[in-house]
Amino acid sequence: DTAVSQTPKYLVTQMGNDKSIKCEQNLGHDTMYWYKQDSKKFLKIMFSYNNKELIINETVPNRFSPKSPDKAHLNLHINSLELGDSAVYFCASSQERGVWNEQFFGPGTRLTVL
Amino acid sequence: DAKTTQPPSMDCAEGRAANLPCNHSTISGNEYVYWYRQIHSQGPQYIIHGLKNNETNEMASLIITEDRKSSTLILPHATLRDTAVYYCIVRGINNAGNMLTFGGGTRLMVKP
Repeated sequence: DTAVSQTPKYLVTQMGNDKSIKCEQNLGHDTMYWYKQDSKKFLKIMFSYNNKELIINETVPNRFSPKSPDKAHLNLHINSLELGDSAVYFCASSQERGVWNEQFFGPGTRLTVL
Repeated sequence: DAKTTQPPSMDCAEGRAANLPCNHSTISGNEYVYWYRQIHSQGPQYIIHGLKNNETNEMASLIITEDRKSSTLILPHATLRDTAVYYCIVRGINNAGNMLTFGGGTRLMVKP
């Protein structure tokens, strides 16, 4: 069984469009995350979310918004896509925030903006 | 969270131990050292973490110096499947949102 899954795996779209990437975890975790990995392979946290709190990395444009229909899902909505949004986006989840926890990552969604 | 410094790349012969160093000289007392790896085109994978004692699990060992300013991840018998980018991350217990800050990592190439 896949622990953290993302759809689609690949997404090619035009500048200016609005798109969503879906993430689901079947681990019963209560915290989920979105990370962005750019062409230089740097991996950056975008959001951390549980049912109580959304924490946003200050560098993330407000065109990006996470939406959680339930505890097992955290979808990423992107409005007015720009060329610089092209990257691989990873979803992750963990049991809880605290002293330590292991984050489980999804397989990634490669977004290409033309 | 304290900054970490890792060599950009390393080679290791298959079957030999791979020793990956990490410098975190500004680490504070409540910050843990985590190691993750990313195999090509996959999501990162947790390996191990520690505070001040050495740790071992089925994947690797983590050796933390007594002053906690550096650590070494040891893969005891590297295989070709261990070829990946290895990230050393320092994270405090007060880190809001439990966010991981990834640096450049070390690209480990295991060669036959």
